[in-house]
Amino acid sequence: EVQLLESGGGLGQPGGSLRLSCVASGFTFSSYALSWVRQAPGKGLEWVSGMSGSGGNTYYADSVRGRFTISRDNSKNTLYLQMNSLRAEDTAVYYCSKDSSGASTGLFDYWGQGTLVTVSS
Amino acid sequence: SYVLTQPPSASVAPGQTARIPCGGDNIGSKSVHWYQQKPGQAPVLVVYDDNDRPSGIPERFSGSNSGNTATLTISRVEAGDEADYYCQVWHVSSDHAGVFGGGTKLTVL
Repeated sequence: EVQLLESGGGLGQPGGSLRLSCVASGFTFSSYALSWVRQAPGKGLEWVSGMSGSGGNTYYADSVRGRFTISRDNSKNTLYLQMNSLRAEDTAVYYCSKDSSGASTGLFDYWGQGTLVTVSS
Repeated sequence: SYVLTQPPSASVAPGQTARIPCGGDNIGSKSVHWYQQKPGQAPVLVVYDDNDRPSGIPERFSGSNSGNTATLTISRVEAGDEADYYCQVWHVSSDHAGVFGGGTKLTVL
């Protein structure tokens, strides 16, 4: 059974940093691309960032490029999102999602339950 | 950037057919995926690559995609189908990016 478990959410200060983690199980981690997708309170889904299974390719939404960094440790079956220069508009539930292939194709076949990030002073 | 447009809401009586459109420039040339999200839950993939269903998704869910509009069709709608539905593509241009529609809240009357 595929499982994705996010952690690391919480209260962050404007201009501050947070690091999210997503621990995966139930599939060969290094064979699949992964993405972060967020959802602001009462709003729709927004793709944030993606990374290929090998880690060789990374992609970012314009809204986070230069502030967020996606990475993965295939030896620990873990995906990360380093979030710097936080803004109020980054407040959202952040979901970890598994792609259907090793390259990022944007077909998200499994999702975690999400972790809430709140940016406020 | 690429934009997907969905109506914010739709309603249908039980047993009837719901059709949820998703508009985008030449979207027919892209693979469209659809997700269902119920309150407080993570999204669930219900249709992928325009008209394929993951295992466990009822045959009542289907999709089509042509020209500038993709459509999710839910036949014989049940009360349990009430949810938000999002279309999504992977846009390949100078960069790669996931793009979601704004979502459609389906109400079962």
